[in-house]
Amino acid sequence: EVQLVQSGAEVKKPGESLKISCKGSGYNFTNYWIGWVRQMPGKGPECMGIIYPGDSETRYTPSFQGQVTISADKSISTAYLQWSSLKASDTAMYYCARRSRLTGMDVWGQGTTVTVSS
Amino acid sequence: EIVLTQSPATLSLSPGERATLSCRASQSASNYLAWYQQKPGQAPRLLIYEASNRATGIPARFSGSGSGTDFTLTISSLEPEDFAVYYCQQRSNWPPTFGQGTKVEVK
Repeated sequence: EVQLVQSGAEVKKPGESLKISCKGSGYNFTNYWIGWVRQMPGKGPECMGIIYPGDSETRYTPSFQGQVTISADKSISTAYLQWSSLKASDTAMYYCARRSRLTGMDVWGQGTTVTVSS
Repeated sequence: EIVLTQSPATLSLSPGERATLSCRASQSASNYLAWYQQKPGQAPRLLIYEASNRATGIPARFSGSGSGTDFTLTISSLEPEDFAVYYCQQRSNWPPTFGQGTKVEVK
């Protein structure tokens, strides 16, 4: 079964750093882009950026460039999303999704809730 | 970036009725338009890709049409499990963008 399993919920304070993960299984992880998607409460999803684990090529949506870092370790089939200094406005649900060349985002992780509060 | 506008914001219908959801793009998205279903507490699920192709395992009551700037998702006869929020998404231009969603609720 093709699946993406994300790390658990996080509660952090403003200014703290954070790295969340997304582990793929059931397919060749290096052959598909992985995207990170933010969804704020009651809002539509927003694509933050994508990474190709085969060579770590990364693209960011302009509004997220410089705000987060996307990386991957193909040896353990895992992609990451990290912040160096969290803000309260980073409070949201974050999903990873496999991006198929033909179909788009066809497999999604279960989501990681990030809460940033003093 | 391409802005996607979905209408209506809310659709109130009864089981068995036909649902027609619209997605309009601010510039041509060619046919690189997908539809997703999202239920409370769940991740989005891919329904339709490239405007009119059903994803694996999606029932035939879901159909998509359109190209360029105007797209439609049709649910021919609503089942109880179809009441959810539906999003369109384009991947014609970077960055990929989503619409704001249409909620299909029980009348």
